[in-house]
Amino acid sequence: SQKIEQNSEALNIQEGKTATLTCNYTNYSPAYLQWYRQDPGRGPVFLLLIRENEKEKRKERLKVTFDTTLKQSLFHITASQPADSATYLCALTTGTASKLTFGTGTRLQVTL
Amino acid sequence: GAVVSQHPSRVICKSGTSVKIECRSLDFQATTMFWYRQFPKKSLMLMATSNEGSKATYEQGVEKDKFLINHASLTLSTLTVTSAHPEDSSFYICSARDSPGTGTSFHEQFFGPGTRLTVL
Repeated sequence: SQKIEQNSEALNIQEGKTATLTCNYTNYSPAYLQWYRQDPGRGPVFLLLIRENEKEKRKERLKVTFDTTLKQSLFHITASQPADSATYLCALTTGTASKLTFGTGTRLQVTL
Repeated sequence: GAVVSQHPSRVICKSGTSVKIECRSLDFQATTMFWYRQFPKKSLMLMATSNEGSKATYEQGVEKDKFLINHASLTLSTLTVTSAHPEDSSFYICSARDSPGTGTSFHEQFFGPGTRLTVL
């Protein structure tokens, strides 16, 4: 069956460290993989999109990698700040329908 | 740019009543809008895809007669939960995709702030 799993339900790190979140999928052939941020009681906010033929994408303190052999994406936040505390969702798109299938999310808590 | 609004943000209703939720793209035209449901500490589950001027496409297991979707214009889609029951209580989120161009921007979705529905 198809699955999208994010490594842990919650991740606690210290301010200034790099947070690394994992997204693994099975029985998918995604054309695109996206990462979203969701704050409590709010809708998700788009962060980054990476295509199947791209290895890495960066945006400011964010970096995403995509390994279609391992069927895994890593999402890094460098120099993390308490304001980065939120739930981060990965989502897959297959083909051109652009229907998003979301992972379970990882709740990141950055402490001082 | 790319702002999506939802109204209402919260609604409490009695069992058996119908509730309408509006989703608007404020500064762009959305040929496609999506409706999701999210239970506490769970991920978003796609309910249906709504294309302007045509019938919505529902995901497996979603009752189309219970969750009525109308996408009458390029900036407005509505979800009506008919004869709501307590098990319909959830966080409903819409998203919209910008004009049907090409490239990666085609696949970005812009989400509304969500509507918390509580059915008593």
